[in-house]
Amino acid sequence: GESVGLHLPTLSVQEGDNSIINCAYSNSASDYFIWYKQESGKGPQFIIDIRSNMDKRQGQRVTVLLNKTVKHLSLQIAATQPGDSAVYFCAEIRHSSASKIIFGSGTRLSIRP
Amino acid sequence: DAGVIQSPRHEVTEMGQEVTLRCKPISGHDYLFWYRQTMMRGLELLIYFNNNVPIDDSGMPEDRFSAKMPNASFSTLKIQPSEPRDSAVYFCASSLDRREETQYFGPGTRLLVL
Repeated sequence: GESVGLHLPTLSVQEGDNSIINCAYSNSASDYFIWYKQESGKGPQFIIDIRSNMDKRQGQRVTVLLNKTVKHLSLQIAATQPGDSAVYFCAEIRHSSASKIIFGSGTRLSIRP
Repeated sequence: DAGVIQSPRHEVTEMGQEVTLRCKPISGHDYLFWYRQTMMRGLELLIYFNNNVPIDDSGMPEDRFSAKMPNASFSTLKIQPSEPRDSAVYFCASSLDRREETQYFGPGTRLLVL
């Protein structure tokens, strides 16, 4: 099924601290996951991806963790900076099914100075 | 490269009017995607093209919506007649291949149907 966002959850983090944003995905058959960042007035921007045969992937200041048992995805941002303020959402894809992409509803990350 | 270009950036129209949204993909990209974003439903894929040919339009909500790609550098999404529930931000994205991680999104068109 698809997630529906009635209220956008907000995470407030002190500048310099680490941020952890969570996402529950819906389809156990999904085999590919992406985290996107969307700044105000802009389109989504790819951050990092992970395939279902992995449980962790690291990028520059970001780490994605995948727990297939509970269908949970998380994005960790190290040393959060003001420029990290945005809405973050995950997306799941099942490549065997015409690659239909389903986006989560998103979490707003707010940085306190 | 200027990235994906969309026009208009904002559109306000009355119910029943025809709305046309435009997109210029990044030069050389073979795939073009149209998305709709609302607070209630989040980001939804409407349709995508490969080499100007529509491949999957299963996300198009109803017959009032149509999309065309007459050439590699231009695509339109048309709503006729428009309804208030069509109010949303419409994004166009393009990519060199089908992989989702290589999609580049435009700035979006914010549509308000009164």
